[in-house]
Amino acid sequence: QQQVKQSPQSLIVQKGGISIINCAYENTAFDYFPWYQQFPGKGPALLIAIRPDVSEKKEGRFTISFNKSAKQFSLHIMDSQPGDSATYFCAAAGSGDYKLSFGAGTTVTVRA
Amino acid sequence: NAGVTQTPKFRILKIGQSMTLQCTQDMNHNYMYWYRQDPGMGLKLIYYSVGAGITDKGEVPNGYNVSRSTTEDFPLRLELAAPSQTSVYFCASSYPQGQGDEQFFGPGTRLTVL
Repeated sequence: QQQVKQSPQSLIVQKGGISIINCAYENTAFDYFPWYQQFPGKGPALLIAIRPDVSEKKEGRFTISFNKSAKQFSLHIMDSQPGDSATYFCAAAGSGDYKLSFGAGTTVTVRA
Repeated sequence: NAGVTQTPKFRILKIGQSMTLQCTQDMNHNYMYWYRQDPGMGLKLIYYSVGAGITDKGEVPNGYNVSRSTTEDFPLRLELAAPSQTSVYFCASSYPQGQGDEQFFGPGTRLTVL
């Protein structure tokens, strides 16, 4: 059973548009929420991460929004570029746990 | 630093054959992991290790075995390959700094079992 549910499975956005990927979890012990980015033929790489003591974290064009009461978090890619075309995975880990539970992934295609 | 390296990149096996997927990291990371990635299923943890000589099962360990004789190497063994093991396999490592350590992934091995 997927501990972290991710949607949509895929999305297409025009260059300059906003990509939004949503994740939901049930385990209230989770308190670390990273996003990994994977390009075709490569391994995933950490993009950005958040802990529940903040509701938002921004790094460049990438922003994580976190809603603790709803047990949801999302990734926003502002001003999407063709180079952002990749698969994005949300993940979660519990306090003191180094193992990650991954979502199913979202393939983002940015059209020029 | 080469980071996490995996060999081979691609492999085709026949049902019932065995093979070992190699993984090496040069970052002196204590923790190492093996994942499989199937379309639409995300990354599933097969086995992990917190140091040389210590391994434990993850979410989907059946049909696989691991060993960790050194800090650098964490090979994954497939015995009696089955079509259900057709997947892309990723090795990863992390340095224990507390909860939420960044995991560094290798480039993957694409395995097909026919």
